[in-house]
Amino acid sequence: RKEVEQDPGPFNVPEGATVAFNCTYSNSASQSFFWYRQDCRKEPKLLMSVYSSGNEDGRFTAQLNRASQYISLLIRDSKLSDSATYLCVVKLNTGFQKLVFGTGTRLLVSP
Amino acid sequence: GAVVSQHPSRVICKSGTSVKIECRSLDFQATTMFWYRQFPKQSLMLMATSNEGSKATYEQGVEKDKFLINHASLTLSTLTVTSAHPEDSSFYICSASPTSGPYEQYFGPGTRLTVT
Repeated sequence: RKEVEQDPGPFNVPEGATVAFNCTYSNSASQSFFWYRQDCRKEPKLLMSVYSSGNEDGRFTAQLNRASQYISLLIRDSKLSDSATYLCVVKLNTGFQKLVFGTGTRLLVSP
Repeated sequence: GAVVSQHPSRVICKSGTSVKIECRSLDFQATTMFWYRQFPKQSLMLMATSNEGSKATYEQGVEKDKFLINHASLTLSTLTVTSAHPEDSSFYICSASPTSGPYEQYFGPGTRLTVT
C-alpha cells in the first residue's frame, strides 16, 4: 500500500465550480500535512499546510481527519489558473523531517 | 526570501558520462537538503537526505555509489550521477530546509536530465 494515496484524476471542471480532492495516508505517526501545487515540468510549490482544526486560505479549504488518516482540499470558484496537479504531502516524525508525496491529482479548469 | 536555485536546469549527456547538479539556498542557510527524483506521471521520490558536513542518508533502493552527494557548505549541495544510463533520465529536484526552522522545505526549480 502506498504511504500517501490520491485519485490521479484528471478532474475536469468549468470555471467557477467547486472541486474537492481527497487523500489518505498510511503512517499513523505522520506529523504534519500539506497540499502542494505542481505545474507541468515545474517544481512543487507549497499551497497550504493542513491543521486538525481545518484551515482556509481564500478560495482554498483544507481539512484533516487524523482518526481516519484522511486529508482533503476544497477549491471554490475555480479559476483557469488553478489548473495544475495537487500533491498531498505528509511529513514523517523522523529526525530529518522527511516529506512523502502522493502521486498528485490533476485538475483541469475549462472556460 | 527562501529561494533555492539549481544548476543546470536541463542537461543532455551520453551514456556512461557523469553529471553534476548543484543546489543552492540563496538567502538562507540550510543544514539539511533533500534530493528527489520524479519520473513522468509519478510522484516525487526522495532519493537522499544531505546534511552539511556529514554523509548523506540514502533511501532504500538508491545506490550511494551511483548518486554521489556532497553537502560541503550550508548553502550548497551537489548530486553527481555517475556513469549515467538512459534509465537515469528524470527530473531531479532538490529542496532545502532552513537551519533556523520552522523546517519548511523550499524546492529548487529542478534539473531535467536526459541520457542518450
